[in-house]
Amino acid sequence: KAGVTQTPRYLIKTRGQQVTLSCSPISGHRSVSWYQQTPGQGLQFLFEYFSETQRNKGNFPGRFSGRQFSNSRSEMNVSTLELGDSALYLCASSQGPRGGEQFFGPGTRLTVL
Amino acid sequence: GESVGLHLPTLSVQEGDNSIINCAYSNSASDYFIWYKQESGKGPQFIIDIRSNMDKRQGQRVTVLLNKTVKHLSLQIAATQPGDSAVYFCAEAFTGGGNKLTFGTGTQLKVEL
Repeated sequence: KAGVTQTPRYLIKTRGQQVTLSCSPISGHRSVSWYQQTPGQGLQFLFEYFSETQRNKGNFPGRFSGRQFSNSRSEMNVSTLELGDSALYLCASSQGPRGGEQFFGPGTRLTVL
Repeated sequence: GESVGLHLPTLSVQEGDNSIINCAYSNSASDYFIWYKQESGKGPQFIIDIRSNMDKRQGQRVTVLLNKTVKHLSLQIAATQPGDSAVYFCAEAFTGGGNKLTFGTGTQLKVEL
């Protein structure tokens, strides 16, 4: 099976712009979670989608949003980018609704100038 | 203010020795725990997991120990190899709430030849 894929792998934006990141989970996986990884804050949970419904949301401002499509692919959007949004954004997929192995993609490296 | 990078504890071991990486988790309601390995430029890679109804689980060259009384998790790597050099994260989850993972700060493992 192919692993979790994320596109694009690298992205450079300027402050005030918006960005959309994409995640394709492992085939058959219905849960997709997003995480932000920075040197200052480590790995922080953004949100989780299961069967197109957001089930959990982390402590991030409303500029961060996401969605999941019927084929389980997910996108996250960050509007009005700030310098502090520069990070590695990671997507993880899991087969079931809870307590199963979660597999991470390689991440999207976002740099905000 | 300026963000300060997380200080990752570092564990240096000789090739062939056993490594023990420790983690304290925070939520007494957590019932699922995972260890991940992250190499530079890659997403976290699943190593081993354990549920709260167990106190020990073994995999290939790895063992995870769970002490719920003191909320402590450890990862033991037998016969550490240079390829084990990476950052190791523990993660906890309350599966009643879905697949949200809360990560520890990580430990840098360096294997010396």
